[in-house]
Amino acid sequence: EADIYQTPRYLVIGTGKKITLECSQTMGHDKMYWYQQDPGMELHLIHYSYGVNSTEKGDLSSESTVSRIRTEHFPLTLESARPSHTSQYLCASTGNTEAFFGQGTRLTVV
Amino acid sequence: EDKVVQSPLSLVVHEGDTVTLNCSYEVTNFRSLLWYKQEKKAPTFLFMLTSSGIEKKSGRLSSILDKKELFSILNITATQTGDSAVYLCAVVEYGNKLVFGAGTILRVKS
Repeated sequence: EADIYQTPRYLVIGTGKKITLECSQTMGHDKMYWYQQDPGMELHLIHYSYGVNSTEKGDLSSESTVSRIRTEHFPLTLESARPSHTSQYLCASTGNTEAFFGQGTRLTVV
Repeated sequence: EDKVVQSPLSLVVHEGDTVTLNCSYEVTNFRSLLWYKQEKKAPTFLFMLTSSGIEKKSGRLSSILDKKELFSILNITATQTGDSAVYLCAVVEYGNKLVFGAGTILRVKS
């Protein structure tokens, strides 16, 4: 059973609001990832971290930021949400065998 | 630069058809290759491949890895509408760095 959690699962917010999507894992994994994905479409890497105080931007340009102050926690923040940010956001971490995914956050910006 | 390339990007077949999905990779320190199926939410794990030439099977799905030619295939026989999904290939490197392909969107028509 994967121990990686994302909150909230669904979020509808107004344009211009600041939001933080939470991702936590209890497996002690160093490497964590954020992906953006539209329904039925490909996965796009937006941020990743290889450990505490290590964060990098991914392949897809994103206006979001991340932090990694603790191993288990990798939150993603949008300072000013826009309708173009409407998407699903998936968090993942890797261990010795496979990658584990959170259940995703479905974000809608109106 | 490490990369994982999946083909085709999308595919439409009829029920009963057999499909083959491709995944090629170029990474520095290959450890394992993973296949995932993603429907509406988080990807679900299908296979992990670490050795060349050893086929893994699960029902109508099977997969094999060729570490010399740097690719893997995922076969689905007697496709059903429930097989419609995005199929993701990922490579895990030593140190647990994860590199995903963009995915193949499969649609099975009844």
